[in-house]
Amino acid sequence: ETGVTQTPRHLVMGMTNKKSLKCEQHLGHNAMYWYKQSAKKPLELMFVYSLEERVENNSVPSRFSPECPNSSHLFLHLHTLQPEDSALYLCASSQDLRGGETQYFGPGTRLLVL
Amino acid sequence: GENVEQHPSTLSVQEGDSAVIKCTYSDSASNYFPWYKQELGKGPQLIIDIRSNVGEKKDQRIAVTLNKTAKHFSLHITETQPEDSAVYFCAARDSGGGADGLTFGKGTHLIIQP
Repeated sequence: ETGVTQTPRHLVMGMTNKKSLKCEQHLGHNAMYWYKQSAKKPLELMFVYSLEERVENNSVPSRFSPECPNSSHLFLHLHTLQPEDSALYLCASSQDLRGGETQYFGPGTRLLVL
Repeated sequence: GENVEQHPSTLSVQEGDSAVIKCTYSDSASNYFPWYKQELGKGPQLIIDIRSNVGEKKDQRIAVTLNKTAKHFSLHITETQPEDSAVYFCAARDSGGGADGLTFGKGTHLIIQP
C-alpha cells in the first residue's frame, strides 16, 4: 500500500445526484492532487493543493468542487455530472511542490455517471 | 506546457525476454522523469525515476535511460515475468516545481506471454 487511501472505491450516480469522493494520506505530505483517468487518455491533472491552499485548477468544470480541510484529507464534491465524467478519479500526494518530488497515488474511485 | 509521447501503446513479449518502452518530452526545462506501473484495480505505483543529472539508473531488472539532448527516456525490463504484466506510464515534471503536477504519457499495456 502507498499510504494514500480513497473512498468509495466504486460509485454509481445519476446526473442529478450530489456525492463526494474522499482521499486521506498517512505520509505527512504537504501537497495533494486530484487526477482524472479516462480510457485511452493520459492522466489529467485536475486540482493541486499545497498546505491546504488550492494552487492549481486546470480548467475543470464547476460541477467538480475540491475541498482540503487539512493537509491529510482531500475531497472532491460532485454535482450534476455528465456521462462523460465517468472515469477513474485518482488522488495523489507528495512531500511538497518542489520539482522532482515523488507522487504517491491512491487506488482510485471508479465513477459511473448514468 | 509539457507534452509527453509514449510508445508503443501495447507491447507483448515472451516471458524471459526484455521489454522496452520509450517516451519523448517537449519541455527542455523538465528534469524529473518517473515511471509508474498500474495493475488492474489499483492506482499507479512508482517503480523507478531518474533526474536529469544522470543518464541511466538501474534497480534489479528495471532500468531507465535518459537522453536530454534528444529529449527522450526509456524503460527497460529484463527477464520479464508474468507479474510484470500491467500498464506502464512515463511522466515528466519541470524543475521549477510549483503548482504543476506531472505530465503523463498515454500508457503502455505490457503483456507477458507464458
